[in-house]
Amino acid sequence: AQTVTQSQPEMSVQEAETVTLSCTYDTSENNYYLFWYKQPPSRQMILVIRQEAYKQQNATENRFSVNFQKAAKSFSLKISDSQLGDTAMYFCAFMKQTGVGGSQGNLIFGKGTKLSVKP
Amino acid sequence: SAVISQKPSRDICQRGTSLTIQCQVDSQVTMMFWYRQQPGQSLTLIATANQGSEATYESGFVIDKFPISRPNLTFSTLTVSNMSPEDSSIYLCSAPGKNTDTQYFGPGTRLTVL
Repeated sequence: AQTVTQSQPEMSVQEAETVTLSCTYDTSENNYYLFWYKQPPSRQMILVIRQEAYKQQNATENRFSVNFQKAAKSFSLKISDSQLGDTAMYFCAFMKQTGVGGSQGNLIFGKGTKLSVKP
Repeated sequence: SAVISQKPSRDICQRGTSLTIQCQVDSQVTMMFWYRQQPGQSLTLIATANQGSEATYESGFVIDKFPISRPNLTFSTLTVSNMSPEDSSIYLCSAPGKNTDTQYFGPGTRLTVL
């Protein structure tokens, strides 16, 4: 069975600074996807960034980037130039790849990290 | 991406009653997923809803308590039956985006059981 661990229940960062959220996972699968989702107080789950396990290059999306270490089973999220709107719960998630060309499998979530961006 | 809507957005219900939550996706998808998020917790998968067949439930969740319908490729419902205060949670549905390997979520239904 797959597990996802987020060891930081809460973090805070000053506006405009950089913060890194940690995530480790355990799996015997070789092909899978990893995600970071953001959940602001509105409770909407918003996709932040996605990484395919077969890709060595780390994914980036504007101010968000990941450090994906497959051998170490580590998948951290770096938020640069933090903004007040980044305040939210951040969930790391794992999805097994099934079938050719992708997956429609379910997500396995970590417990989340509550990030507060302070002005 | 996928655009997913849910109804109702929130409800307050009495113990012993049932509530049906609707989830609509803007494209046809084979699988839809229902998650529960208890207060202050992460998301836990309740079941996978497949069109044309019975839903597949995760350990700890049973069909009598959480019946699911999937009448077509864009729609699903989750019913929370015989509710108790322990059922107070956010219920979210998700579905993959078109031609992507990414799950997108509806806005969630916040359920409070008195």
